[in-house]
Amino acid sequence: DTAVSQTPKYLVTQMGNDKSIKCEQNLGHDTMYWYKQDSKKFLKIMFSYNNKELIINETVPNRFSPKSPDKAHLNLHINSLELGDSAVYFCASSQGAGGYGYTFGSGTRLTVV
Amino acid sequence: GQQLNQSPQSMFIQEGEDVSMNCTSSSIFNTWLWYKQDPGEGPVLLIALYKAGELTSNGRLTAQFGITRKDSFLNISASIPSDVGIYFCAGQEPGTASKLTFGTGTRLQVTL
Repeated sequence: DTAVSQTPKYLVTQMGNDKSIKCEQNLGHDTMYWYKQDSKKFLKIMFSYNNKELIINETVPNRFSPKSPDKAHLNLHINSLELGDSAVYFCASSQGAGGYGYTFGSGTRLTVV
Repeated sequence: GQQLNQSPQSMFIQEGEDVSMNCTSSSIFNTWLWYKQDPGEGPVLLIALYKAGELTSNGRLTAQFGITRKDSFLNISASIPSDVGIYFCAGQEPGTASKLTFGTGTRLQVTL
């Protein structure tokens, strides 16, 4: 029974398209995150939601829009995809402020061609 | 933003050897965490540290929260092939609730 699940696992799309990545957690956590991992494996936070409320919004192009319909779901929509958006996107969740660590999903590898 | 520097960047070791890696930052952290990432998977939490000077073990893994609160160390004893992967430190700065900053990663490869 997967704790943090993301779909799809792989996403290949053309420049200019709009795409969404979905994330669900069944851990009862109240905080969810999106992280981007680049080709050098560097992990950088993009967004964080606590109980459906946006609490962290790092310097991310406004083509990226997170949506949290409830505290168990955090989706990421990307408009007008660019080549530089190619990366692995990880969803994660935690209870509270994350001091006890996050639980990560297995990632979505996005390739923009 | 803040970035945590890990060293070494990568290492090849022989099975059975002990491994040490560390993580440093320019500012203090309240919490230090160590994660391992296997290919095609998300990072998995190994050890969490909450107090300066704290030393915590998890099986063959031992990690320490530096006294200055600006660094942390991870040691792996008697490495085995399944230790292969990328190890990340992560920290939480004071006043940055719900935000973990990750290190640059140490790639560990084990030869038989």
